[in-house]
Amino acid sequence: AQSVAQPEDQVNVAEGNPLTVKCTYSVSGNPYLFWYVQYPNRGLQFLLKYITGDNLVKGSYGFEAEFNKSQTSFHLKKPSALVSDSALYFCAVRAIYGQNFVFGPGTRLSVLP
Amino acid sequence: ETGVTQTPRHLVMGMTNKKSLKCEQHLGHNAMYWYKQSAKKPLELMFVYNFKEQTENNSVPSRFSPECPNSSHLFLHLHTLQPEDSALYLCASREVDRANTEAFFGQGTRLTVV
Repeated sequence: AQSVAQPEDQVNVAEGNPLTVKCTYSVSGNPYLFWYVQYPNRGLQFLLKYITGDNLVKGSYGFEAEFNKSQTSFHLKKPSALVSDSALYFCAVRAIYGQNFVFGPGTRLSVLP
Repeated sequence: ETGVTQTPRHLVMGMTNKKSLKCEQHLGHNAMYWYKQSAKKPLELMFVYNFKEQTENNSVPSRFSPECPNSSHLFLHLHTLQPEDSALYLCASREVDRANTEAFFGQGTRLTVV
């Protein structure tokens, strides 16, 4: 069975500071890992994915994520947060030969001016 | 815009009503998904269709009935719903010919059952 944990319901960071949103996963075999962002009253928007290769993945809007196989983690990072980054962030996992995306519970990011 | 369009955006229905949610994708994808997003709960997968065939029914009550007439369209028919079915219903699509593709989501339909 696949599962995703996002240990923090809420992350607060000051504008201009680096941010990290944490994600750990459990899946049989090698995973595909994804980050999505959701703004109020909107659907989920794709940010980035890890497929294979480099453990540091770069995505949209200056976000990046680091895959760590030994810790089964895929933390989302950004060097300098913007107020407009405030949103709900979801980590998701999909087994390589699977169809289903399993999502974490989400982390609400608030970037304070 | 992600290329996945859901209508209506908002729906209020009584418990005895019958209504349908519509999803259309313009991306040439061949898999489509229904997810339910309730407050303070993780996204719940409801149904998956690959090439118009249902491949996943995640123990969804029969008051939710999906229909996929072609690879571009997906419906969710609703009847005799309960107030706890109030949620944001999200449609997504994906190209399955390449294993590593992400899902593209629509804006969702906010459903309120009264």
